[in-house]
Amino acid sequence: KAGVTQTPRYLIKTRGQQVTLSCSPISGHRSVSWYQQTPGQGLQFLFEYFSETQRNKGNFPGRFSGRQFSNSRSEMNVSTLELGDSALYLCASSPQGGPGETQYFGPGTRLLVL
Amino acid sequence: DAKTTQPPSMDCAEGRAANLPCNHSTISGNEYVYWYRQIHSQGPQYIIHGLKNNETNEMASLIITEDRKSSTLILPHATLRDTAVYYCIVRVGGNTDKLIFGTGTRLQVFP
Repeated sequence: KAGVTQTPRYLIKTRGQQVTLSCSPISGHRSVSWYQQTPGQGLQFLFEYFSETQRNKGNFPGRFSGRQFSNSRSEMNVSTLELGDSALYLCASSPQGGPGETQYFGPGTRLLVL
Repeated sequence: DAKTTQPPSMDCAEGRAANLPCNHSTISGNEYVYWYRQIHSQGPQYIIHGLKNNETNEMASLIITEDRKSSTLILPHATLRDTAVYYCIVRVGGNTDKLIFGTGTRLQVFP
């Protein structure tokens, strides 16, 4: 099976712009989670989607949003970019999102905000 | 969610076993212990997980104490490619899928 894929891999934006990142989960996986990784805060959970519904959300401002499509592919959007949004954004998928399941991560999208 | 405590860094000679400890003293009965590693800002790689019993797979072994308050990840024959940050995560049960990452242990394998 192909792994989790994320596009684009690298992105440069300027403050105030918005950005959309895409994640394709492993075939058959219906749960998709997003994480942000920065040197200062480490890996932090953003949100999780299952069956096109946001099921869980981390402690991030409303500028961070996401959605999931019927084929389980997911996008996350960040509006009004700030310098502090520069980070590695990681997507992970699992079959149902249950506690005994394994989340598999993609390679990430590295976002630089200038 | 339960929190974990790991040493910030460890060294290991190539070919020797690497034993990475993790404390999770507030773990609940339905919470799993997961281990991931991250090599140079790539996506985290799943290693192993367990609930109560010790587990072994082709990558590593996971030893969980009887009281479940701590665990040890064992890489039986460390190689240079095992140099990475290792994260011990306690994952809550239920229908939410969220991993709470700590700061991890930076394992340096030297020749």
